[in-house]
Amino acid sequence: GESVGLHLPTLSVQEGDNSIINCAYSNSASDYFIWYKQESGKGPQFIIDIRSNMDKRQGQRVTVLLNKTVKHLSLQIAATQPGDSAVYFCAEIEVSNDYKLSFGAGTTVTVRA
Amino acid sequence: NAGVTQTPKFQVLKTGQSMTLQCAQDMNHEYMSWYRQDPGMGLRLIHYSVGAGITDQGEVPNGYNVSRSTTEDFPLRLLSAAPSQTSVYFCASSYSQGEYEQYFGPGTRLTVT
Repeated sequence: GESVGLHLPTLSVQEGDNSIINCAYSNSASDYFIWYKQESGKGPQFIIDIRSNMDKRQGQRVTVLLNKTVKHLSLQIAATQPGDSAVYFCAEIEVSNDYKLSFGAGTTVTVRA
Repeated sequence: NAGVTQTPKFQVLKTGQSMTLQCAQDMNHEYMSWYRQDPGMGLRLIHYSVGAGITDQGEVPNGYNVSRSTTEDFPLRLLSAAPSQTSVYFCASSYSQGEYEQYFGPGTRLTVT
């Protein structure tokens, strides 16, 4: 069936380095992709979204890249900080499916001091 | 604004018991939803509501009921708790169904013994 998933369940990054979190999806009908950050003991927090007709979108210290040819999504975090330690989820929305969010399994990012 | 609030934060139930997880938001959001999060998995949609008086099923609705009598509140009822319902439950809201930035509550950790 359709699914959204992440390549790696864990990622360890040195403080100050750039982080790249990957996500593969299979639903070519998805209209939007969203990245969420979930800190320990908290609910997910919206980071950034990208429309399916875009290749790249930048936010504050984050960049999302979308490659529809290989159905791949990535989140790049610049100058990773200790506060970036969290679980990161990619999610997709298909407008014709009532805008329902479908989440991937998540990648746990640990920032080393 | 308090945002999205959930009560209780923790709950232990015995198999067969019923209970209601409370969710409220003070942002005048039309769209509200319930997710469950299990270890190693992304969030899965249980039920959602596009406005007061309107609810619909998500991906995993069995064993749960919802109602939306007001814009602010969206309670989730477990009719007869089962160990398979042990999970962390998150409520989320957004201004409208097509608004991709959903705001999540802090979660309710439920254990069914």
